[in-house]
Amino acid sequence: EVQLLESGGDLVQPGGSLRLSCAASGFTFSSYAMSWVRQAPGKGLEWVSGITGSGGTTYYPDSVKGRFTVSRDNSKSTLYLQVNSLRAEDTAVYYCAKLYSTSSWGPGFDDWGQGTLVTVSS
Amino acid sequence: DIQMTQSPSSVSASVGDRVTITCRASQGIGSWLAWYQQKPGKAPKLLIYSASSLQSGVPSRFSGSGSGTDFTLTIGSLQPEDFATYYCQQADSFPLTFGGGTKVGIK
Repeated sequence: EVQLLESGGDLVQPGGSLRLSCAASGFTFSSYAMSWVRQAPGKGLEWVSGITGSGGTTYYPDSVKGRFTVSRDNSKSTLYLQVNSLRAEDTAVYYCAKLYSTSSWGPGFDDWGQGTLVTVSS
Repeated sequence: DIQMTQSPSSVSASVGDRVTITCRASQGIGSWLAWYQQKPGKAPKLLIYSASSLQSGVPSRFSGSGSGTDFTLTIGSLQPEDFATYYCQQADSFPLTFGGGTKVGIK
């Protein structure tokens, strides 16, 4: 059974930083690209990063590029998201998500963690 | 960026009703579209991938169709557990983008 367990969410002041983690089990972690998707309170889903199985290529939307960094440690089956220069609008539940396919981003995400809450407020 | 527009944003329906949700992409995305169901306080759940393929374990009353820019999610006979919010997502190009969501409520 696939399990994805996020941690690291917290209350942080504007301009602060956090590192989110997602511990994976139940599948060959290094074979799958992974992503982070966030959801602000009462709002829809927003994709905020993606990383290939090897970790060699990363992707970001413009809204977080330069502030967020996704990485992975395949030896520990763990995905990370370093979030810097946090703003109030970054307040959200952050989910890690596993790609359905080992070879394409096309089919979407078939497994999701339970999410970790990041609150940016003074 | 590819914009994904869902309609309606909300719908009220009764158990047993047929419900149709549409998703339109701002440019062609082939069949690289997924549909998710999300219940309050829970993570999204994949229902349909590659526009029309039913994810394992998902009831057959859910179906997806379309290609290019216009896509549809249909719930054939609405069940009590189907009251939730539904999102489409394109994976044709980065950045990956989601539709704004459609909330299916009880009439």
